[in-house]
Amino acid sequence: NAGVMQNPRHLVRRRGQEARLRCSPMKGHSHVYWYRQLPEEGLKFMVYLQKENIIDESGMPKERFSAEFPKEGPSILRIQQVVRGDSAAYFCASSPDNTASSPLHFGNGTRLTVT
Amino acid sequence: DQQVKQNSPSLSVQEGRISILNCDYTNSMFDYFLWYKKYPAEGPTFLISISSIKDKNEDGRFTVFLNKSAKHLSLHIVPSQPGDSAVYFCAASVEYGGSQGNLIFGKGTKLSVKP
Repeated sequence: NAGVMQNPRHLVRRRGQEARLRCSPMKGHSHVYWYRQLPEEGLKFMVYLQKENIIDESGMPKERFSAEFPKEGPSILRIQQVVRGDSAAYFCASSPDNTASSPLHFGNGTRLTVT
Repeated sequence: DQQVKQNSPSLSVQEGRISILNCDYTNSMFDYFLWYKKYPAEGPTFLISISSIKDKNEDGRFTVFLNKSAKHLSLHIVPSQPGDSAVYFCAASVEYGGSQGNLIFGKGTKLSVKP
C-alpha cells in the first residue's frame, strides 16, 4: 500500500541548471498538490493539479516554475534556471477527491540544494 | 502577512501529561482546520481536523478545539507519549469549489515529550 512517492529525495543543482521533481500519488488519487517549505517556515501552497489539468497555480512563481500531471506517469514540478533562493524542501500531496473529508497525504519530499 | 500563526516555536512536556498546542488565524473566511504532525526528513502526516460548524473534535488521545469568535484553535494530546515528539503544523483553508487542497500552514510548534 504505497503512499505518495517522491523522487529524488535529495537533489543538488548549480545555479542556472534545471531541477525536475517527480511525484507519484497514492493509488486511486487523481488530485495532486505541490508545497514548498523554506527553512524555519511552514509549508506554502504552490499548485493543485488533476490529471492533465492545472486547477490552481496561485502559489507558484510566474517565472521559471511549471508543473504538469500527465495522463500517464507522475506529476512533475520543473524549475528552470535555479537560483539559491529555490533551495527548499518540496512536498507533494495527493487526495482521492477535493472534499473536506479527504485530507491530503504527503510524500517525504525532495530537498533541493542550489549551489 | 501570516494568516495562520503558531506563536510557540517549541513546547516541552513530561510523559503522561497534557500537551496543548495553540494556533491563531486572521482570515474569518477559513472554514476548515487541520493539524499535521511531521517527523524529521518525512512529510507531514494528517492528525485531526475540524469544520467551522463544530467547536470540538476528538480522536483517541487527540482533541481539537475551535473558538471562532477568538479565531483560535488548539490541539490537546493526553496523555502525551515520547513518540508524540515531532513538529505540529496547524493549517486552515477556505472551501472553494469544494477543494481543500490550498492549505495555509502555520510555522509549526516543535513538541518534545520527555520520559
